[in-house]
Amino acid sequence: ETGVTQSPTHLIKTRGQQVTLRCSSQSGHNTVSWYQQALGQGPQFIFQYYREEENGRGNFPPRFSGLQFPNYSSELNVNALELDDSALYLCASSLTTGGQETQYFGPGTRLLVL
Amino acid sequence: AQSVTQLGSHVSVSEGALVLLRCNYSSSVPPYLFWYVQYPNQGLQLLLKYTTGATLVKGINGFEAEFKKSETSFHLTKPSAHMSDAAEYFCAVYSSNTGKLIFGQGTTLQVKP
Repeated sequence: ETGVTQSPTHLIKTRGQQVTLRCSSQSGHNTVSWYQQALGQGPQFIFQYYREEENGRGNFPPRFSGLQFPNYSSELNVNALELDDSALYLCASSLTTGGQETQYFGPGTRLLVL
Repeated sequence: AQSVTQLGSHVSVSEGALVLLRCNYSSSVPPYLFWYVQYPNQGLQLLLKYTTGATLVKGINGFEAEFKKSETSFHLTKPSAHMSDAAEYFCAVYSSNTGKLIFGQGTTLQVKP
């Protein structure tokens, strides 16, 4: 167990809708990263939050946004859902102290867009 | 730019046989390297990591990996496969500039009885 939880576990939405996915980081971790894993692919970095500020972003459009809260929870919001957004969304928490950080992953939320 | 290539999308071994999953990386700076395992319908579990120091790294469940700078490789091995090892395995390099993990495409390990 990594101490990282995500909700919901599964979600079905229709194209054009909006979705919010939630993550609870490991206690004391100040950094959360979100990844999208399409079927049969490796995870792709969406963005990272450090102390409630966006700290890096991958090649994803602005309709993917996030929030990190002081209690180590975080959200991933996706607006105007597209069929290609169907994927497993993973959050990973870590403690950034300078240099290398180890990311611990939650179980993921599987999103299906119809 | 950093990247990871996993050679072989599917590997099949018999129970008790050697497991070898290949990973090559590209990095202009000393890399931090990771292996994660993903069981069906689950998230990623850290198997082992290389940061600095000893190039042979031991992880959980009997897995180990050796960092070879000259070959830009970080192959994952296990002397004797177990049925429970059947899963998807991902090699990743950490980008200290962006704080992100860059993953390979993954290798599916099948273990035959």
